[in-house]
Amino acid sequence: DAGVTQSPTHLIKTRGQHVTLRCSPISGHKSVSWYQQVLGQGPQFIFQYYEKEERGRGNFPDRFSARQFPNYSSELNVNALLLGDSALYLCASSLGSGQPQHFGDGTRLSIL
Amino acid sequence: GESVGLHLPTLSVQEGDNSIINCAYSNSASDYFIWYKQESGKGPQFIIDIRSNMDKRQGQRVTVLLNKTVKHLSLQIAATQPGDSAVYFCAEIGTNAGKSTFGDGTTLTVKP
Repeated sequence: DAGVTQSPTHLIKTRGQHVTLRCSPISGHKSVSWYQQVLGQGPQFIFQYYEKEERGRGNFPDRFSARQFPNYSSELNVNALLLGDSALYLCASSLGSGQPQHFGDGTRLSIL
Repeated sequence: GESVGLHLPTLSVQEGDNSIINCAYSNSASDYFIWYKQESGKGPQFIIDIRSNMDKRQGQRVTVLLNKTVKHLSLQIAATQPGDSAVYFCAEIGTNAGKSTFGDGTTLTVKP
């Protein structure tokens, strides 16, 4: 079975632009979580979605938003990009809250 | 707020030796933890998990110990191999609100 897949793998944007990152969960997983990982640090929780509803939100500004589709795939949107948004964005899927989360390999976002 | 921290940012061991990676957490209500391994250019890989109703769990060459009294957990890797070289994270996985908290990781280097 395929694992969590994310696209694109790499992306370069400039300040002020917006970006959409995509995630397809493991088949059968209904929960998707998004994380931001800055070099040298652990992943920081951004959002969790379950059955298309937001179930958790981390300490990120409103420029960050996400949604989950009926097929349980998800998008993370970031508006008005800042240099500090440069990071690896990770998606993890699970059967639900409190269940093992499995990660994709992330999207490397670079802001110039 | 909640925090999860690792005791040592780096650990170097000889091939064949046992490795122990430690982690402390602050939220006494935390009840589900996962250890992840992250190799360069990849997303975190699930190693083993443990819930608060257990104090020990074993996998293939790995053991996780949970001490709720002092809010500490550890990952033990038996007969460490060069392929075990990676960054290891402990994570407290939210069971209700969906928020998950990661430490900053311990870089394990295995010397041949």
